[in-house]
Amino acid sequence: NAGVTQTPKFQVLKTGQSMTLQCAQDMNHEYMSWYRQDPGMGLRLIHYSVGAGITDQGEVPNGYNVSRSTTEDFPLRLLSAAPSQTSVYFCASSYRGQPQHFGDGTRLSIL
Amino acid sequence: KNEVEQSPQNLTAQEGEFITINCSYSVGISALHWLQQHPGGGIVSLFMLSSGKKKHGRLIATINIQEKHSSLHITASHPRDSAVYICAVRDSNYQLIWGAGTKLIIKP
Repeated sequence: NAGVTQTPKFQVLKTGQSMTLQCAQDMNHEYMSWYRQDPGMGLRLIHYSVGAGITDQGEVPNGYNVSRSTTEDFPLRLLSAAPSQTSVYFCASSYRGQPQHFGDGTRLSIL
Repeated sequence: KNEVEQSPQNLTAQEGEFITINCSYSVGISALHWLQQHPGGGIVSLFMLSSGKKKHGRLIATINIQEKHSSLHITASHPRDSAVYICAVRDSNYQLIWGAGTKLIIKP
């Protein structure tokens, strides 16, 4: 039981590049979410999903896409990276109403 | 004004001291979470509570729904408790609203 696995752990991109942050969980959780954490700020919700085939926007969705084709996977796509997207990204999963389990985070730098 | 406010923002204490971190919120909630973020970045859920009090080891979390306030206490603090402690509330839309965190440093 690996929990929530995020890859990669670190990534450096140039402005305008695209990439996908991967998130996988093996706990059969229906609820998954992506957050970004910036210095001095709380975690901010980017997108979330309440089950396979269902996604919705969070607080800061612009510049990001998600999909949930399976219960296990919830990838986050940066369409055209911008320096403002430099952040630490966390994926989390849970059963509804239960505490979230977090991945170890992805540190992303956009030059 | 943020919907979830934590205090203090930073706290430095000596080993053995009793620690209190506060969280106030302004929205209706179904649950409140306390989480711990280690210096390496990993986030761990400590408590989820909707009423009363919960205890796990040296950690105690309380919530007062009427006053919209929660506290996290650490008894007999230890340097390994040094971390950022985050309060988050789940609102009526099932969304988590996060506090900015309290950075705790326990000196030996």
